Amino acid sequence: ETGVTQTPRHLVMGMTNKKSLKCEQHLGHNAMYWYKQSAKKPLELMFVYNFKEQTENNSVPSRFSPECPNSSHLFLHLHTLQPEDSALYLCASQKSASGDYEQYFGPGTRLTVT
Amino acid sequence: AQSVTQLGSHVSVSEGALVLLRCNYSSSVPPYLFWYVQYPNQGLQLLLKYTTGATLVKGINGFEAEFKKSETSFHLTKPSAHMSDAAEYFCAVSDFGNEKLTFGTGTRLTIIP
Repeated sequence: ETGVTQTPRHLVMGMTNKKSLKCEQHLGHNAMYWYKQSAKKPLELMFVYNFKEQTENNSVPSRFSPECPNSSHLFLHLHTLQPEDSALYLCASQKSASGDYEQYFGPGTRLTVT
Repeated sequence: AQSVTQLGSHVSVSEGALVLLRCNYSSSVPPYLFWYVQYPNQGLQLLLKYTTGATLVKGINGFEAEFKKSETSFHLTKPSAHMSDAAEYFCAVSDFGNEKLTFGTGTRLTIIP
């Protein structure tokens, strides 16, 4: 049990669909992250939220839209995706300003865009 | 800017043999270093980390790593491989004062029975 849950675990969507990924952390952390994991590439940091405020957007296309309503929940809204967006999307959380620097990861959502 | 290089995208070792996964980093300030493991269809799990203090760090499942500043390395070792060690391993670096992690491309470890 990692304390970070993600739903759904698998998602298949067409290029014209709109869907959302959900992440929830039960660790009392205040920072949350979205990563994209594609085959043969390093993990790509997409977004960072600290105390519900977005502190980083790593040049992510606007077809990905994050939302962080509180420190425990993080969403990634998807619309008009491309096939190259198929990947494993990982959520992570961290207790920022703790000097710990350890991130806790969820199991990921396997996204396939058809 | 930080970067991480993991030598060998695939490593195979026999069960009971030494496991050695290599990681080199570049950082302009004292780094924090991490090894994560990812089993199939799962997220990343922290194996061990170096922040300050002792340069030999012990982690879960019998793994350890040594921070060698002169070699800018943080190689992961385990004396005796077990079938359950088959997974993908990621090295990551974070600069002191910057809580973002930069990951390597990963090394897939296969254990031969």
